[in-house]
Amino acid sequence: GIQVEQSPPDLILQEGANSTLRCNFSDSVNNLQWFHQNPWGQLINLFYIPSGTKQNGRLSATTVATERYSLLYISSSQTTDSGVYFCAVESTSGTYKYIFGTGTRLKVLA
Amino acid sequence: DAGITQSPRHKVTETGTPVTLRCHQTENHRYMYWYRQDPGHGLRLIHYSYGVKDTDKGEVSDGYSVSRSKTEDFLLTLESATSSQTSVYFCAIMGGRGYEQYFGPGTRLTVT
Repeated sequence: GIQVEQSPPDLILQEGANSTLRCNFSDSVNNLQWFHQNPWGQLINLFYIPSGTKQNGRLSATTVATERYSLLYISSSQTTDSGVYFCAVESTSGTYKYIFGTGTRLKVLA
Repeated sequence: DAGITQSPRHKVTETGTPVTLRCHQTENHRYMYWYRQDPGHGLRLIHYSYGVKDTDKGEVSDGYSVSRSKTEDFLLTLESATSSQTSVYFCAIMGGRGYEQYFGPGTRLTVT
């Protein structure tokens, strides 16, 4: 089945710094999402982005489907950005099963 | 908010006992999912449903069964709980504007 790898696994930033999180996938995908899991365990949708670029405030994402990767950019990080960021993909099998990466754990220091 | 609730939110049970977790949605979505989350593994799909009485296995389905007798409810059953099933269980729906998944708050299950 499709493999999803996220990097880096862990990231520590000073408040105000910028960062780039990467998601590589091993096969073509129909759908791709980015999630943030906050320290209370809640999973929050960030982007639905099977291709192209989207921006939402300080966050933006780019997916290059032909090269099988997606990037999540966090600018001017805040302590509330701390948590785990997951990438999830649905292959072109048409089954609507999403496969998750193991996540990037981000800690933003005040 | 996709109107997803899970019950119970926390449960402690003994090895060998049956356990049923409930996922309830209020927006008539066709697709529903059960995942488990364990340290180092991210979220792994247990089972999913693509309609009433229509279900399929995910990557970690052994030891679990599901049922969906009506659109709004998706039940996950551990027939005989084991310590390896201690985990946080998340329910999700696929909906919104297209193929986005939205998650419930999770159920923390401890099997002693």
